[in-house]
Amino acid sequence: GAGVSQSPSNKVTEKGKDVELRCDPISGHTALYWYRQRLGQGLEFLIYFQGNSAPDKSGLPSDRFSAERTGESVSTLTIQRTQQEDSAVYLCASSLQGRPGETQYFGPGTRLLVL
Amino acid sequence: GDSVTQMEGPVTLSEEAFLTINCTYTATGYPSLFWYVQYPGEGLQLLLKATKADDKGSNKGFEATYRKETTSFHLEKGSVQVSDSAVYFCALLSGGSNYKLTFGKGTLLTVNP
Repeated sequence: GAGVSQSPSNKVTEKGKDVELRCDPISGHTALYWYRQRLGQGLEFLIYFQGNSAPDKSGLPSDRFSAERTGESVSTLTIQRTQQEDSAVYLCASSLQGRPGETQYFGPGTRLLVL
Repeated sequence: GDSVTQMEGPVTLSEEAFLTINCTYTATGYPSLFWYVQYPGEGLQLLLKATKADDKGSNKGFEATYRKETTSFHLEKGSVQVSDSAVYFCALLSGGSNYKLTFGKGTLLTVNP
């Protein structure tokens, strides 16, 4: 079946502009996650959705970052007033129920470059 | 807090060589442990996992054993192929936070023919 998809695959923007990144999880997966991968670093957790609710937003780096999920499906990560340090690959993952030890399946990522 | 330390890369091997990528962790409770792989130009894929002590995860000739006494989850393969060239990430899912994967920084493996 279809895996996790993300769009756009690449985004170049100017400092100060807003960007929206989209994630389509695997159908039927109730848990959705956003991570960020900066160059030469491991992945950093940003936010977790269970259904349409976000019980944990603790990884969002600043109030310029926000995310929402609708219909227990698509999620959008929005970065306002982008800064150069926001340049990274943004990865979305989903899992069936978000239970302990459950495998998270990752999308291909959106590569964001802020000039 | 939780953390994962994996060996610095890059690692360069010849085809059919033996591979070990070390991974150690610090975590609360009883974490689940994972190895993810990222092939060039592709997304992150689960390679193998282990959810309790002494479990061995295996896939595509790769193996890793969950060692609670040494807090380790080293990745091994007996004979690497050129197609194994990729970045390998060790990760844990802590018992205290069942959804937040903590990743190591990744190890780039290049296998030459």
